[in-house]
Amino acid sequence: EPEVTQTPSHQVTQMGQEVILRCVPISNHLYFYWYRQILGQKVEFLVSFYNNEISEKSEIFDDQFSVERPDGSNFTLKIRSTKLEDSAMYFCASSLGRVNQPQHFGDGTRLSIL
Amino acid sequence: EDQVTQSPEALRLQEGESSSLNCSYTVSGLRGLFWYRQDPGKGPEFLFTLYSAGEEKEKERLKATLTKKESFLHITAPKPEDSATYLCAMVNTGNQFYFGTGTSLTVIP
Repeated sequence: EPEVTQTPSHQVTQMGQEVILRCVPISNHLYFYWYRQILGQKVEFLVSFYNNEISEKSEIFDDQFSVERPDGSNFTLKIRSTKLEDSAMYFCASSLGRVNQPQHFGDGTRLSIL
Repeated sequence: EDQVTQSPEALRLQEGESSSLNCSYTVSGLRGLFWYRQDPGKGPEFLFTLYSAGEEKEKERLKATLTKKESFLHITAPKPEDSATYLCAMVNTGNQFYFGTGTSLTVIP
C-alpha cells in the first residue's frame, strides 16, 4: 500500500539554525499538509498546499515557516531560525482530494532544538 | 472558538468488553469529522470520515457516529490489537483542521 515517507526520523538542531524537513507524499495525491505535535499536546494544523501554493495556513504558520514542492515528489517544510519552542513531532500528510477527504500521514520527524 | 474535546483521556478494557469513546466539538461550520488511530511512534492512521449528523460508518469492530455536537467511536468486543490512541479531528468551512488530545485505549487479554 502506498505510504507517506518522512526524513529524517529525528533531527537535532541548534537554536537559531535553519532546518528543512522532508516528505514524499503518495504519488497521485494532490493536497499536502504539515502538522506539528508538541510532546503531550494536540496535533496542530500548520499548512495545506495545492497546485504549488499554500491553500490555508494556521496562526502558528508565521514568517519563520515556509513550504515548497521543489520537484514532482518531495514536499518540504523549512523553519528559518529555530526556537526552543519549535521542538515537536512534525507530521506530513497527503490526500487525493481537498479538505474533507481522508489524509494519509507519515510517521513524523522528531525535531529537537538545543 | 472552534475546538475538539475527547473523553476519556485513557480507557482500559478487558478483551471483549465493548465501550465508546466520545468526541465533542464546537464549530462554526463543519465540513468533516475524522477518526484516526495512532500507534506509538507512528503517524495517525485514517479510520473514518463523517460529514453530517446522523451518519454512521463501520469497519470491523469499530463504528463511528455523528450528531450536531459530538461523535462516538464504538468498539465492539475489542481485542488486544485494538490498543492504540484514537484521535478525533474536524475541518471547518474555513478549511482549518482541529484535533482532540486523543483517547489512549488499552485492551487487556
